[in-house]
Amino acid sequence: QKEVEQNSGPLSVPEGAIASLNCTYSDRGSQSFFWYRQYSGKSPELIMSIYSNGDKEDGRFTAQLNKASQYVSLLIRDSQPSDSATYLCASDDFGNEKLTFGTGTRLTIIP
Amino acid sequence: KAGVTQTPRYLIKTRGQQVTLSCSPISGHRSVSWYQQTPGQGLQFLFEYFSETQRNKGNFPGRFSGRQFSNSRSEMNVSTLELGDSALYLCASRRLAQPTDTQYFGPGTRLTVL
Repeated sequence: QKEVEQNSGPLSVPEGAIASLNCTYSDRGSQSFFWYRQYSGKSPELIMSIYSNGDKEDGRFTAQLNKASQYVSLLIRDSQPSDSATYLCASDDFGNEKLTFGTGTRLTIIP
Repeated sequence: KAGVTQTPRYLIKTRGQQVTLSCSPISGHRSVSWYQQTPGQGLQFLFEYFSETQRNKGNFPGRFSGRQFSNSRSEMNVSTLELGDSALYLCASRRLAQPTDTQYFGPGTRLTVL
């Protein structure tokens, strides 16, 4: 059973600080990784995707992938109250195209 | 470009009934996936359809079924509803069923089984 694991939190971060969200995955064959943000009562929306080892930056968001350690992380710089949401990590296995999701980390930005 | 649409948005059913949910993908997207989301289990993959063929199936009982039409619209059916089927059912579409394709989610159908 392929698994994606996240710390369920809740994670509380002061406004303006860096929020760090972590995710590990069990299948070494996983090739694609995604971070989705889900506000309460809403559907998930994609905020970052990463396929290669290293960092990928998009505005205040940085995704980091370490395939050797089977570890994916998401950093949110200059956290804003609007970043308060549940963040879902997902992997899409090459050759088996379905997404496997973690249970999500609930992030709260404290003003 | 219009997003993924799902109907109905809310449903209330009783145990033993059956239900059909509908999903219209983004124009040009040929892959449709269905997920069940509950507070305890998170997002669980149900199945994925591509060009009217089921490509993948999750670990759900046979009461859960789906299909895809030639216009890529998809339906999922749950027969003999149980209390535990109460959940948010999400549909997601992507252009092709490739690992790097982004999945876009619809707003979901909230099913309550009494």
